Amino acid sequence: QTVVTQEPSLTVSPGGTVTLTCASSTGAVTSGYYPNWFQQKPGQAPRPLIYSTSNRQSWTPARFSGSLLGGKAALTLSGVQPEDEAEYYCLLYYGGLWVFGGGTKLTVL
Amino acid sequence: QLQLQESGPGLVKPSETLSLTCTVSGGFISSGSYYWGWIRQPPGKELEWIGSIYYSGSTFYNPSLKSRVTITVDSSKNRFSLNLSSVTAADTAVFYCARHSLVEMDYWGQGALVTVSS
Repeated sequence: QTVVTQEPSLTVSPGGTVTLTCASSTGAVTSGYYPNWFQQKPGQAPRPLIYSTSNRQSWTPARFSGSLLGGKAALTLSGVQPEDEAEYYCLLYYGGLWVFGGGTKLTVL
Repeated sequence: QLQLQESGPGLVKPSETLSLTCTVSGGFISSGSYYWGWIRQPPGKELEWIGSIYYSGSTFYNPSLKSRVTITVDSSKNRFSLNLSSVTAADTAVFYCARHSLVEMDYWGQGALVTVSS
């Protein structure tokens, strides 16, 4: 069974920078997994942020950026704002199968 | 602006079949090369992709649920549906429908809570 792993929780100070990662149990994550990133706040549906590794949705602030880093997909938040406190999920594509990561709870403190 | 809306019973008895429908507005299911998918999220837990149907009718299911899942599309009514059979309390979740391609999952419904209980 394919497993996608994210950090369970991270803490960042307002104005700081933090990187969330997304690893695959099958090996290195490449652009062919089309990594997507989503933000979810309590009681809300997931909000798409990044698609195909590094492309922002039209509504995604520029402080969110996606990349590949050390064999993982990565989401970097620069100049973190209090409203960025949320759960973040990655999604990877495995040829007819889509798998979400377990999510990272980001605390802004 | 594309919008998706889930609908269906909020309470299902154990061993019965959970049925949900996602109605699409602001666009047509039959136009464009998109998948129409279902995702669920048990209370306090992570997202899980259940399965998707391509606009042509081909289906793709999560192997862990494949034996119990059926996804169908009704292009004439611009909606697609999920059936999950033999449900247990572990199937209690918020169910989301979404539009996606290979590279992005860009439009989501607001979600529908389905509780499995007698």
